[in-house]
Amino acid sequence: EPEVTQTPSHQVTQMGQEVILRCVPISNHLYFYWYRQILGQKVEFLVSFYNNEISEKSEIFDDQFSVERPDGSNFTLKIRSTKLEDSAMYFCASSGGQGVYGYTFGSGTRLTVV
Amino acid sequence: AQSVSQHNHHVILSEAASLELGCNYSYGGTVNLFWYVQYPGQHLQLLLKYFSGDPLVKGIKGFEAEFIKSKFSFNLRKPSVQWSDTAEYFCAVNDGPGGSSNTGKLIFGQGTTLQVKP
Repeated sequence: EPEVTQTPSHQVTQMGQEVILRCVPISNHLYFYWYRQILGQKVEFLVSFYNNEISEKSEIFDDQFSVERPDGSNFTLKIRSTKLEDSAMYFCASSGGQGVYGYTFGSGTRLTVV
Repeated sequence: AQSVSQHNHHVILSEAASLELGCNYSYGGTVNLFWYVQYPGQHLQLLLKYFSGDPLVKGIKGFEAEFIKSKFSFNLRKPSVQWSDTAEYFCAVNDGPGGSSNTGKLIFGQGTTLQVKP
């Protein structure tokens, strides 16, 4: 069964540093998403991406965050200057349709900001 | 704005007990509804989904859910749980066809941790 692959599985970074979280969506999917889950809290939508541009973003997704699809396979989330409160599990997801009918999640990257 | 509420935060059951996890959503339009499961250390996996048609939906691993539109509910059930069902369960909703958001954004509930004792 096709999978969404995320790397690294765990990243530790110092406050103020930039981090890039990487995702390889399912190859024929067109819609891409990032979600995060702070420990003990609900899964929260960050951003959706289609046709090489952001289609929707949440209030969480401020100027510190950016997404990019640099080539035909990768989908990245960049946090420019990490804060302690960015510590969370970050999930990438992709969908063949608009995502209206659900999509496939990756295994997540646990980001720890110290 | 849409919201999803899961009534039970932590449920402890013995094997073979029946399970029902509550989920209510607040949205008056057409919705798609989902239950995801997250086993310890693993990613979110789709258990089942409802788009339209028969309000009783059957998913993987013996789970089912019933959509009751009048109650804005989509409760998850399983007649007899196993130790391997120990996991966190998330209810989620997004706009159905014609909805205001065409990006498929999912709104999640806060999750229910299920612990099944052998």
